[in-house]
Amino acid sequence: EAGVVQSPRYKIIEKKQPVAFWCNPISGHNTLYWYLQNLGQGPELLIRYENEEAVDDSQLPKDRFSAERLKGVDSTLKIQPAELGDSAVYLCASSSAAGGLTDTQYFGPGTRLTVL
Amino acid sequence: AQKITQTQPGMFVQEKEAVTLDCTYDTSDPSYGLFWYKQPSSGEMIFLIYQGSYDQQNATEGRYSLNFQKARKSANLVISASQLGDSAMYFCAMRGIHTGNQFYFGTGTSLTVIP
Repeated sequence: EAGVVQSPRYKIIEKKQPVAFWCNPISGHNTLYWYLQNLGQGPELLIRYENEEAVDDSQLPKDRFSAERLKGVDSTLKIQPAELGDSAVYLCASSSAAGGLTDTQYFGPGTRLTVL
Repeated sequence: AQKITQTQPGMFVQEKEAVTLDCTYDTSDPSYGLFWYKQPSSGEMIFLIYQGSYDQQNATEGRYSLNFQKARKSANLVISASQLGDSAMYFCAMRGIHTGNQFYFGTGTSLTVIP
C-alpha cells in the first residue's frame, strides 16, 4: 500500500513569492491534515479536512495561506506571498475516520521550505 | 482541552541498552488513544506504537513498548536494545473520543544512541 505522497520535497524561494505544496493521502483515508513544523518543535495543525470539507482551519493564517481538497482526495496548500518566517517543514498526514481512536495518522515525507 | 508534555529535550543511550522516553498527558475525555512517532533526520514521521486508554495491557511492538500508567496520566516509550538507527526525534501524541480526528503532539525528545 502506498503511503502519503508529498511534493516537492524541498523548495527554496525568495520572500514575497508564491509557493504551493501538494499531498496525496493514503487510498481510502478521508481525513487529511496539513501541519507546520518548526525546527526542534512538534507538528502544529494548520488545517484538517474530512473528505472535501475543511473542518478545522482555526490555525491557518488566512491572509496568506490557503488550502483546497478537491474531490476529497488530493490537497494543495498555498502561501502567497511567502515571508521569511514561513521557513519550516510542511507535513501532510492522513487517517481513516471509520475506526475511531485506534486509527492512527500516517505522515508524508514533508516539504522543507526555505524563504530567502 | 488536551495537552501532551515531554520534559526531556534530549536523551543519550549506549548502544544495546534500554531507554525510556517520558510522556505525560492531560485530558478530560473518558476514552482516548496515545501514539508515539519517530522522526529521523530525513523528516518523515513514522508511527511506532499505539495504546488505548481502556487497554488492559501495555502495548508492545518489537523493541518498542509503552509503559502506560493511567492514574498518573503517563505513557512512556521504552526502547530495548538500542540501535544506532534509533537516533531520532520522538513525539508523543494523543487523540480523544470527544475531539474526533484531532491529534495533539508533544514537543518531542531527541534521542542519540552512542556506539
